[in-house]
Amino acid sequence: QVQLQQSGPGLVKPSQTLSLTCAISGDSVSSNSAAWNWIRQSPSRGLEWLGRTYYRSNWHYDYAVSVKSRIIINPDTSKNQFSLQLNSVTPEDTAVYYCTRDEVTYMDVWGKGTTVTVSS
Amino acid sequence: EILLTQSPGTLSLSPGERATLSCRASQSVSSSYLAWFQQKPGQAPRLLIYGASRRATGIPDRFSGSGSGTDFTLTISRLEPEDFAVYYCQQYGSSTWTFGQGTKVEIK
Repeated sequence: QVQLQQSGPGLVKPSQTLSLTCAISGDSVSSNSAAWNWIRQSPSRGLEWLGRTYYRSNWHYDYAVSVKSRIIINPDTSKNQFSLQLNSVTPEDTAVYYCTRDEVTYMDVWGKGTTVTVSS
Repeated sequence: EILLTQSPGTLSLSPGERATLSCRASQSVSSSYLAWFQQKPGQAPRLLIYGASRRATGIPDRFSGSGSGTDFTLTISRLEPEDFAVYYCQQYGSSTWTFGQGTKVEIK
């Protein structure tokens, strides 16, 4: 079955860049039917979709308006994974971050989550 | 951006009782893109229902979804001990996914 394995630091300093990776097994980041998302969850903001990437003859990217100026999601076909970069973080970016797969109409596979704290 | 409002915020029920959870959208949502998730403490959300009424793989038939347009409902016909959790609705539209704020189903 499809599994997503998340990795990355749990502590990031304010103004620096948050970087997380999601390794895919059982599917391909280049799938023509799936998309690969990053979502975060915090007590103050609830579940918040951040963005996604997907391949349909070429690569596509969708980002939430709230983070559009600070986010990059990159696929890595050589390692079958995708990554999240969130720049210029503040304590408001403290959250549990999840990577997920969506199959157009539903989001069916989730990583276990990574708790990221923004603090000096 | 479509906003999803869930009610009630908390539902206090006993095992064996019926739970009815509501999700209201700020504008019409395609039923194809309305889903429900269950989340337990320390775990990622789990897909229960997609396409407003289709159960995901392995989901018991005591869970059912219904609705269209701006009003959607998740019903748990008879609560089992493992069903006490937080439930979220989610929708996709205009290249964006949004979630409701959640309904907590707690043991009375």
